[in-house]
Amino acid sequence: QVQLQESVPGLVKPSETLSLTCTVSSGSISRSSYSWGWIRQPPGKGLEWIGTISYSGSTQYNPSLRSRLTMSVDASNDQFSLRLRSVTAADTAVYYCARHWRVAAAGSSWFDPWGQGTLVTVSS
Amino acid sequence: QSVLTQPPSASGTPGQRVTVSCSGSSSNIGSNTVNWYQQLPGTAPKLLIYSDIHRPSGVPDRFSGSKSGTSASLAISGLQSEDEADYYCATWDDSLNGQVFGGGTKLTVL
Repeated sequence: QVQLQESVPGLVKPSETLSLTCTVSSGSISRSSYSWGWIRQPPGKGLEWIGTISYSGSTQYNPSLRSRLTMSVDASNDQFSLRLRSVTAADTAVYYCARHWRVAAAGSSWFDPWGQGTLVTVSS
Repeated sequence: QSVLTQPPSASGTPGQRVTVSCSGSSSNIGSNTVNWYQQLPGTAPKLLIYSDIHRPSGVPDRFSGSKSGTSASLAISGLQSEDEADYYCATWDDSLNGQVFGGGTKLTVL
């Protein structure tokens, strides 16, 4: 059973860069059928997709975050990462990583499993 | 403002059947399959239904999904107290070229 674990950056100052890493158990990240995603949830609010990266490094980003976002994958260490530049208080949220299942021919994609989430607070 | 529209709340009594709706458009629900996630208080979301109607291993058959046109529904039969949670629908949007979520429905078991 694949498990995902987000790093814990904690507090980030406004205008700085938020960096998160997700570690995937069981050596799963290099399997070609899998992509990996980030989702966030501001306190008391709903879910927002941030972006998805394939094992080969191709990315798809939420258009609202694209200008500030970079995702990367380190298959040798079974990790994928997120960097969000120029953060503001609006980026305060619980950040989740998850495996992103894609079946393009069927128009199907879903997230499973999810990491436990890590709270990132943007504050001076 | 979410791309997918869900009622903010729903409720039912133990044993009852409740449904949660999710409304979208031709570029999302009308073109792609719908997933449902359950988020218990203080925990990460969990996949409940994928590809419109399929349940992952371990999800009770009390939970079922359906879709018609640009709308989808989650039905929970034999409602139990442990079903009290937030429920989110999600799908891919071809116009936005990204994953979109509904605003979530808070289910209360009375």
